[in-house]
Amino acid sequence: GQQLNQSPQSMFIQEGEDVSMNCTSSSIFNTWLWYKQDPGEGPVLLIALYKAGELTSNGRLTAQFGITRKDSFLNISASIPSDVGIYFCAGQPSKSSGDKLTFGTGTRLAVRP
Amino acid sequence: GAVVSQHPSWVICKSGTSVKIECRSLDFQATTMFWYRQFPKQSLMLMATSNEGSKATYEQGVEKDKFLINHASLTLSTLTVTSAHPEDSSFYICSASFAGGTDTQYFGPGTRLTVL
Repeated sequence: GQQLNQSPQSMFIQEGEDVSMNCTSSSIFNTWLWYKQDPGEGPVLLIALYKAGELTSNGRLTAQFGITRKDSFLNISASIPSDVGIYFCAGQPSKSSGDKLTFGTGTRLAVRP
Repeated sequence: GAVVSQHPSWVICKSGTSVKIECRSLDFQATTMFWYRQFPKQSLMLMATSNEGSKATYEQGVEKDKFLINHASLTLSTLTVTSAHPEDSSFYICSASFAGGTDTQYFGPGTRLTVL
């Protein structure tokens, strides 16, 4: 099945540093979502984006819906140890929650205290 | 937020046996449920989309006779892995969404299947 290209694949950073990751697609999506997954658990929604160009924050997290609707970015400011995990982007063709998601390849984040 | 549960959280079975995994929406009615499979260090791959009261729609390459999906009520969907083999060992995750809304999908905690 299709997957979105996500980069970087992994990051190992110092606590307090900012983190940036992005997700690109060859096709257009009308909804972009960012999830975090801890080991052995299901993904948890961090931010949902519904409009091209939209910039949305959730605490230290900020995500943007690319103008072309083919990409999205997630930034984490002032990282802390509990930010460790795998971050996935996901695209949805429409705004309907009944539409299927296509997931990115994931970015594995490690934070050094 | 809405809560989705899965049972069991992990299961170990012998090759050739069948295993049933339940996905429940605890505090909302889910007209659509999705089943994903995730192999170690990989992303989630959609297996099938399940609408209450109708047959599931399977993604290309997913055998519908091997992965039986039943969505008999607005709060319960089941995935049965029939005649399981070691290559079916994986992390199975379901998600559920509200009827007709723009709300997002809510994910369950996953079920770890190990086939010996």
